[in-house]
Amino acid sequence: RKEVEQDPGPFNVPEGATVAFNCTYSNSASQSFFWYRQDCRKEPKLLMSVYSSGNEDGRFTAQLNRASQYISLLIRDSKLSDSATYLCVVNPLYSGGYQKVTFGIGTKLQVIP
Amino acid sequence: NAGVMQNPRHLVRRRGQEARLRCSPMKGHSHVYWYRQLPEEGLKFMVYLQKENIIDESGMPKERFSAEFPKEGPSILRIQQVVRGDSAAYFCASSFGTGNNEKLFFGSGTQLSVL
Repeated sequence: RKEVEQDPGPFNVPEGATVAFNCTYSNSASQSFFWYRQDCRKEPKLLMSVYSSGNEDGRFTAQLNRASQYISLLIRDSKLSDSATYLCVVNPLYSGGYQKVTFGIGTKLQVIP
Repeated sequence: NAGVMQNPRHLVRRRGQEARLRCSPMKGHSHVYWYRQLPEEGLKFMVYLQKENIIDESGMPKERFSAEFPKEGPSILRIQQVVRGDSAAYFCASSFGTGNNEKLFFGSGTQLSVL
């Protein structure tokens, strides 16, 4: 089983739609979680951290379910500019005391006019 | 405050040549990570370095690849005797520390093309 699994998509949605992505992780000791966004093979950029209590940033909501070992990202009122690949990132704290961030393959979102 | 700087942005090499990729972390960051992204694939961890130390190189191919992060100067990812399969985007990231919620900041990447 891969450490971090994502549906690669693509998800094609009309402007204004709500879309949700899930990401599952295998290491139950994982400590922190993030969503990154990558445009057209440019550098990944941090979108938001994911906290146990869930967190929201404008049209974006992230949730963590430790029991089922998955995180989710919800995008409301999709904009054309949201078209990108969304990378799920999991950070297990290894015994050496450092983080070794693991990326999912990414889910491609295409928002259609 | 400059971000993570990588150069060159594009590097073309013929099979058998050497490729050197450079990464200067953000000011104040002492932790550097290298990732490789093959076409149509996700980012794969290669190596994690602190100043003058390789902490984790479990993602590095056993041969031809090496990395360093000297006391002075940028981190270098070196690929000897490149082959076509080395063609990929190589991203460097840095962080200030290693805490649980430490965020990674990425450079713009080096696109390596092997002819």
